[in-house]
Amino acid sequence: EADIYQTPRYLVIGTGKKITLECSQTMGHDKMYWYQQDPGMELHLIHYSYGVNSTEKGDLSSESTVSRIRTEHFPLTLESARPSHTSQYLCASVWGSLWYFGAGTRLSVL
Amino acid sequence: ELKVEQNPLFLSMQEGKNYTIYCNYSTTSDRLYWYRQDPGKSLESLFVLLSNGAVKQEGRLMASLDTKARLSTLHITAAVHDLSATYFCAGEETSGSRLTFGEGTQLTVNP
Repeated sequence: EADIYQTPRYLVIGTGKKITLECSQTMGHDKMYWYQQDPGMELHLIHYSYGVNSTEKGDLSSESTVSRIRTEHFPLTLESARPSHTSQYLCASVWGSLWYFGAGTRLSVL
Repeated sequence: ELKVEQNPLFLSMQEGKNYTIYCNYSTTSDRLYWYRQDPGKSLESLFVLLSNGAVKQEGRLMASLDTKARLSTLHITAAVHDLSATYFCAGEETSGSRLTFGEGTQLTVNP
């Protein structure tokens, strides 16, 4: 069974702070994704990766950046957090038609 | 570019009643997914529909796919309160594996 982990689960920080949201999966999936979701709203793709050293921006403009140095690890970084970044961030990996979503990180920027 | 639209966006129904959520998509989509999301939680996979005419059932939920009409439905039979949640459909573009989500249907089942 594939496992995908996100940390932290909840984060409250002040404006201007740099933060990194972690996402790791244990099944060696090449394709990984970051989605952003405001409460009760649809999910928007912000970044994706098809493998090591491959990263692309998604459909929704985001001030975040990602890296993919190792297959199992796909962290998302906000250099200077703002209240507009308050949202839930969901990480996912996929193998064939099997999508695995992490538990999510709920970020609040004050 | 794939676009996915759901309706209704809000659905309030009584226990024991039946209802259908509709999911329309704009271009060819390899696969159609249905997810459930409880408040503050991640996504729970319900169904993956892979081909035209596919029908899948789990408990009181049944999903179907009509690729010619570019339509998927999620039918709820004899609703119970535990089904209250937000339901998302998502399409997977043929050009890649990204999922494009609908707006979600917020379902409330009243006793």
